[in-house]
Amino acid sequence: AQSVAQPEDQVNVAEGNPLTVKCTYSVSGNPYLFWYVQYPNRGLQFLLKYITGDNLVKGSYGFEAEFNKSQTSFHLKKPSALVSDSALYFCAVRPSGSNDYKLSFGAGTTVTVRA
Amino acid sequence: ETGVTQTPRHLVMGMTNKKSLKCEQHLGHNAMYWYKQSAKKPLELMFVYSLEERVENNSVPSRFSPECPNSSHLFLHLHTLQPEDSALYLCASSQDLGGYTEAFFGQGTRLTVV
Repeated sequence: AQSVAQPEDQVNVAEGNPLTVKCTYSVSGNPYLFWYVQYPNRGLQFLLKYITGDNLVKGSYGFEAEFNKSQTSFHLKKPSALVSDSALYFCAVRPSGSNDYKLSFGAGTTVTVRA
Repeated sequence: ETGVTQTPRHLVMGMTNKKSLKCEQHLGHNAMYWYKQSAKKPLELMFVYSLEERVENNSVPSRFSPECPNSSHLFLHLHTLQPEDSALYLCASSQDLGGYTEAFFGQGTRLTVV
């Protein structure tokens, strides 16, 4: 069975500084990897995904993530964080086999960007 | 807006009540999902529908009963709930089941069982 670990419950950064949210995964075979963001009292919004090819994936709102197969990681990054990036971030994984549709989520990382 | 709408946004119900959560999507998606979100825990997949057929019932107690009357609508019927069922219930849809298609989520229904 697949799983996702987000080792940090909380990440605090100052506005303008780089932001990194860590994610490691476990899956049989090759993964499809996703990042979602959840603002207070809202549902999850899709940020970006890795399917295949280039290990650096660019997504919405200036976010990017780097797929590292040897380290089974898919860390989310933003070069310069904004206060408005404060939210709950979820990493998710699904096996790339066509018969497996289950999307497994991490427990989430709360990001706080201080002005 | 993601194109997935959930009603009501908030619901308080007693343990003996019967209520229903509604989800609607007009994205032309073929798969719909119910998730339960509790604080500090990963999202729990409850039910999955593909082309209006249930394909997943993830060991969910029978006090939760899903219904998918057509490809655009999904309901979650609730009865005799317990206080530990209090959570944010999220509906999601995706173009197809599985693969690399991302899911689109509604804003959720915040359920409180008293």
